[in-house]
Amino acid sequence: AQTVTQSQPEMSVQEAETVTLSCTYDTSESNYYLFWYKQPPSRQMILVIRQEAYKQQNATENRFSVNFQKAAKSFSLKISDSQLGDTAMYFCAFTVVFGNEKLTFGTGTRLTIIP
Amino acid sequence: DAGVIQSPRHEVTEMGQEVTLRCKPISGHDYLFWYRQTMMRGLELLIYFNNNVPIDDSGMPEDRFSAKMPNASFSTLKIQPSEPRDSAVYFCASSLGGTSGGVGRDTQYFGPGTRLTVL
Repeated sequence: AQTVTQSQPEMSVQEAETVTLSCTYDTSESNYYLFWYKQPPSRQMILVIRQEAYKQQNATENRFSVNFQKAAKSFSLKISDSQLGDTAMYFCAFTVVFGNEKLTFGTGTRLTIIP
Repeated sequence: DAGVIQSPRHEVTEMGQEVTLRCKPISGHDYLFWYRQTMMRGLELLIYFNNNVPIDDSGMPEDRFSAKMPNASFSTLKIQPSEPRDSAVYFCASSLGGTSGGVGRDTQYFGPGTRLTVL
C-alpha cells in the first residue's frame, strides 16, 4: 500500500520570503507520479505541480519548484517570493503508473502568508 | 473550458433523506473520480469511472452510497438514506486518460466540491 506523509500541519511565512513544504511517501513501485495540490479557502483543489518519477530533473512552475529525492522518497515543494494568494492548504499526492488510477493524498499543510 | 462542474455547492438535509450530488466532467475527459474530504479521514477516493464504466468502487463506504455515469458528460453520487457521519465535502474530478495514456493525460482536475451537511 502507498502512503504519503506531510509532517508539517501548519506553517507561516512573511510575504516575499521563500518557504519549503515537506512530503515523504512510501511505495514499492518504481514508476509513479507525484503532485502538489493547493486548496485555498474557496475549497477548490488546484494542481500546482507534478513530477514523473523517472525524471531526474526537478519540476518547476514559475515560483513553484520541487526537490525530488527518489532514493529518500522525498518530494518537497518550494515557493519562492511568496504572495498573499499562496495562503492555502497544500496537499502532496501520489499515483502509480499502470495502477488503479487512485490519487493517494497526504494530510496537508496549512500555509499562511503574513503581510 | 468551463472546468469540472458540480452541483449543488452546498446541501443541508436531515438524516434519512436521499441526497444526490451531480458532476459534469471536462469535455473529452475519459476518467471521472469521486472523492470525499473529512477532517478525520482527509481526502479519499470513493469510486472512479473510465468511459462511463465503474472501474473501482472499493472506496464506497457502504451500500447506502451509489454512483452512476449514464453518459460521458454527467455523473451522480447518491446517498440513501443519509446519516450525520456522511457530512463532508464531496469532490468530483476528471482526467483525459489514465496513467497509461501518456504523460500528463492522467492529471486530475477537480470541481469546486459539494459541502454536504446531514443533520
